[in-house]
Amino acid sequence: DTEVTQTPKHLVMGMTNKKSLKCEQHMGHRAMYWYKQKAKKPPELMFVYSYEKLSINESVPSRFSPECPNSSLLNLHLHALQPEDSALYLCASSQATGDGYTFGSGTRLTVV
Amino acid sequence: AQKITQTQPGMFVQEKEAVTLDCTYDTSDPSYGLFWYKQPSSGEMIFLIYQGSYDQQNATEGRYSLNFQKARKSANLVISASQLGDSAMYFCAMREVFSGGYNKLIFGAGTRLAVHP
Repeated sequence: DTEVTQTPKHLVMGMTNKKSLKCEQHMGHRAMYWYKQKAKKPPELMFVYSYEKLSINESVPSRFSPECPNSSLLNLHLHALQPEDSALYLCASSQATGDGYTFGSGTRLTVV
Repeated sequence: AQKITQTQPGMFVQEKEAVTLDCTYDTSDPSYGLFWYKQPSSGEMIFLIYQGSYDQQNATEGRYSLNFQKARKSANLVISASQLGDSAMYFCAMREVFSGGYNKLIFGAGTRLAVHP
């Protein structure tokens, strides 16, 4: 299995909703990442988990809450988002060396 | 700080011709890695090719090759025999390595390629 699977593919949520994005990989990668990509812009790193521990938080607002329940799963919990948070959210994983950096197909989030 | 620059916002090429997408980078680390990704309108980031800073030869993967000129700090992507399905956004990225067992990718602004029949 050489894939990173993200669900859902599309999500529309209101500003008072709570939702979660899910990311799963079975490649034995020990680093997992969340990136945010606004339209016509490159991806920007949000969070990094290494060996299931949060290693980088790129000053992301607390309405985004990451979680890594085990080495194969990465979640992003969303609460009280703003319309400007609408974007493509990409999950990625890699070996600890950085090899095999693989992205999922993304979740397209719309906040209304 | 590391930086990736893609100066071509958009490019077009005729089907079956070759095209070069430019990428320059800046880093003070002697060890680094450079990636090219393709992103179609569906949004997925598709890995195309990787070049390590110590690799002696230019990387190749099928129709993709990387023209790596270390002294000029450039890592241009060459797509040979363009196909209509190559129309997409292309990102050059550099890997920033951390000692804790993870890497951060820093992306250029991207180049949108249109392949014309």
